[in-house]
Amino acid sequence: SAVISQKPSRDICQRGTSLTIQCQVDSQVTMMFWYRQQPGQSLTLIATANQGSEATYESGFVIDKFPISRPNLTFSTLTVSNMSPEDSSIYLCSVLGTGGGLYGYTFGSGTRLTVV
Amino acid sequence: AQSVTQLGSHVSVSEGALVLLRCNYSSSVPPYLFWYVQYPNQGLQLLLKYTTGATLVKGINGFEAEFKKSETSFHLTKPSAHMSDAAEYFCAVSEGNNDMRFGAGTRLTVKP
Repeated sequence: SAVISQKPSRDICQRGTSLTIQCQVDSQVTMMFWYRQQPGQSLTLIATANQGSEATYESGFVIDKFPISRPNLTFSTLTVSNMSPEDSSIYLCSVLGTGGGLYGYTFGSGTRLTVV
Repeated sequence: AQSVTQLGSHVSVSEGALVLLRCNYSSSVPPYLFWYVQYPNQGLQLLLKYTTGATLVKGINGFEAEFKKSETSFHLTKPSAHMSDAAEYFCAVSEGNNDMRFGAGTRLTVKP
């Protein structure tokens, strides 16, 4: 399965600022996903990022707040904009191999964000 | 869209006892099903997955799960709990070339 490098692993940010999270994969992948895990809760899909097209956002998430880039088949970024304490969460990227679900989904180790 | 329901947000067992974590899914196509474990302050680790073929799937750390289409279930079991099994467990479903949807999670506590 793919190996994902996600950074930063953690950060403490001031409210009103923005943070960009990077996700680097060691192989080319078709689809990349960004998830949020709020404290004590499950994972919620933010958006799906395909190379060469606009990201597709889930209900409750908008591009102005969570802009995503996908410049090539091995890299993506998620920006958390104009942060507030409610954005304090773990953010994870995930990839699906080109074999579809048969290859399974791999997750990065996550970015633990605290907004103060 | 696919969805997952995990019955029981918190399960407590004694060390050496059977572990049973319940998961029911909804999917419009044959699903891919997964169990992940998350230890405190760590990322997600894949325990096991079902895609096609044998309905009884064996994973790491002695866990296994059985896909039952008639019951739309994918319950996770382990014959004998160990203290190190204490963690949060997430069931997830995918419809193949698509994103994954997670259940709310079940926190497993193992008592000595």
